[in-house]
Amino acid sequence: GAGVSQSPSNKVTEKGKDVELRCDPISGHTALYWYRQSLGQGLEFLIYFQGNSAPDKSGLPSDRFSAERTGGSVSTLTIQRTQQEDSAVYLCASSLEGVGRGNTDTQYFGPGTRLTVL
Amino acid sequence: GNSVTQMEGPVTLSEEAFLTINCTYTATGYPSLFWYVQYPGEGLQLLLKATKADDKGSNKGFEATYRKETTSFHLEKGSVQVSDSAVYFCALLFYSSASKIIFGSGTRLSIRP
Repeated sequence: GAGVSQSPSNKVTEKGKDVELRCDPISGHTALYWYRQSLGQGLEFLIYFQGNSAPDKSGLPSDRFSAERTGGSVSTLTIQRTQQEDSAVYLCASSLEGVGRGNTDTQYFGPGTRLTVL
Repeated sequence: GNSVTQMEGPVTLSEEAFLTINCTYTATGYPSLFWYVQYPGEGLQLLLKATKADDKGSNKGFEATYRKETTSFHLEKGSVQVSDSAVYFCALLFYSSASKIIFGSGTRLSIRP
């Protein structure tokens, strides 16, 4: 079956503009995660969804960042008023069940969206 | 806090050489441990994992053993190939609370023919 897909694969935007990044998880996966990979910070967690709710938003770097998930499937990460330091590869991952139950779910990653803010 | 420290790269080896990439962790509890690999131009892929002490994860000739006493999860391969050239990330995860993966900084591996 299909893996995690993300769109667009590349996005170039001007400072101050808003951007939306999309993630399509693996069908049937209830948990969805956003991460950011940047040169200076390595790989960092942004937000976790279980179904449509986000019990862990602790990694969102500022209130310019928000994310939503609808229908327990597709998720959109929105960055408002982009800044140059937002330039990074944004990775999405999904897993079958997510937190709790002592499970050993594997997170499957998408190819990422490379965001460049000029 | 919880963290992962892995050996800095880049690491350059000749084909068929023995590989070790060191990884140690700091955690308040007993996390699951992972190695992820990112091949050039591709996304992150799970390479192997271990969910409790003394477990050994293995895949594609790579192995790593969860050592609680030394808080380590070193990645090893007996004979590397050019196709193993990639960036390797050590990571930990607690399933009981937040489900976020904490990654190490990554180690770039280059294999010479």
